[in-house]
Amino acid sequence: GAVVSQHPSRVICKSGTSVKIECRSLDFQATTMFWYRQFPKQSLMLMATSNEGSKATYEQGVEKDKFLINHASLTLSTLTVTSAHPEDSSFYICSASKRRTGVMNTEAFFGQGTRLTVV
Amino acid sequence: ILNVEQSPQSLHVQEGDSTNFTCSFPSSNFYALHWYRWETAKSPEALFVMTLNGDEKKKGRISATLNTKEGYSYLYIKGSQPEDSATYLCASPGNQFYFGTGTSLTVIP
Repeated sequence: GAVVSQHPSRVICKSGTSVKIECRSLDFQATTMFWYRQFPKQSLMLMATSNEGSKATYEQGVEKDKFLINHASLTLSTLTVTSAHPEDSSFYICSASKRRTGVMNTEAFFGQGTRLTVV
Repeated sequence: ILNVEQSPQSLHVQEGDSTNFTCSFPSSNFYALHWYRWETAKSPEALFVMTLNGDEKKKGRISATLNTKEGYSYLYIKGSQPEDSATYLCASPGNQFYFGTGTSLTVIP
């Protein structure tokens, strides 16, 4: 299967600072990438969907100014948590697809996830 | 929001038992149904991607069926083994890729 690399796997940052998480597709071109957040004892909650070269589509309730997503190339998407607060502490995971949204008849490939702790 | 629901939320079975769980999704505007297995400390991995009503797919002891008209899919595990312990996620992606709540399976040796 295809490989998606996400890093860092763990990060601890001070409240008020920004943290960038990278998601790279290593052996395929990811036209669409998805960013999820997992709350304790819950499933994956979709934060935003990004297509290469265009602005990300954010889910209702996700602050686009706080969670900046950039999908500038077919192999890299980044999520920047700006002015992080303790309530942003969570597990963030990306996935990548070779297809554009609407025709998701191929699997998505996941990164390893990032555990963010804001102190 | 596209509501994808899974049941049960968690399941404990004895090694050797067979088990199954359900994913339900809105049947309108259906594109595909995905099943993923998410083991602790690993990335979710795709098990099946199903698109046709009545489709049935199999991978070893795991199989899945799809009913797009009534909006459900079943995942079956035959002769459960401890290594099957994981969270099983389904998704019915359209313009968004929403996952269900997941079924956490624990296979007791």
